[in-house]
Amino acid sequence: AQSVTQLDSQVPVFEEAPVELRCNYSSSVSVYLFWYVQYPNQGLQLLLKYLSGSTLVKGINGFEAEFNKSQTSFHLRKPSVHISDTAEYFCAVTAYNQGGKLIFGQGTELSVKP
Amino acid sequence: KAGVTQTPRYLIKTRGQQVTLSCSPISGHRSVSWYQQTPGQGLQFLFEYFSETQRNKGNFPGRFSGRQFSNSRSEMNVSTLELGDSALYLCASSRERSNEQFFGPGTRLTVL
Repeated sequence: AQSVTQLDSQVPVFEEAPVELRCNYSSSVSVYLFWYVQYPNQGLQLLLKYLSGSTLVKGINGFEAEFNKSQTSFHLRKPSVHISDTAEYFCAVTAYNQGGKLIFGQGTELSVKP
Repeated sequence: KAGVTQTPRYLIKTRGQQVTLSCSPISGHRSVSWYQQTPGQGLQFLFEYFSETQRNKGNFPGRFSGRQFSNSRSEMNVSTLELGDSALYLCASSRERSNEQFFGPGTRLTVL
């Protein structure tokens, strides 16, 4: 079975500051990793994914994440945030043979202040 | 290309009733997954359908069921509604053998 822990439930940050949202996972098998963003009253939008290959993955809206297998982490970063990045962010995993079953973390609410 | 659509967007039901939610995947996507989102439990996987067959199931009671039609559209049904079933129900679709899921806007169910 897989599990995901997002270490911060809320992250307040000022506009144009860097941000890191932390995600750790647990799994006895190899996994794929994802970050999704959810704006109020909307569904989830995929920010980026790690399937294989380079451990540094770049996504939309200037976000990137680094897969660290030894630390079982997949932290999300952005060098300079905007007010429009205010949203809830979810880290998710799925096992190689469980493609349609995503296991999500509890979410991190990113609040960008002017 | 149209995204994942879910109908209705909002529903209000009373305890004991049943409800059916609908999901139309992106054209060409054959896998449909359903998730429940609540403030207390977060996002939880309900089930996945592929080619009209349930391929994966989460840890929910039998009151929660689903099906998929030959055109890949999917429905989920909740019978004997309880207050705790109030949630945002999200549907996601993906191509065969793809791990990238595309989510719909959700159906917000309120049980009174």
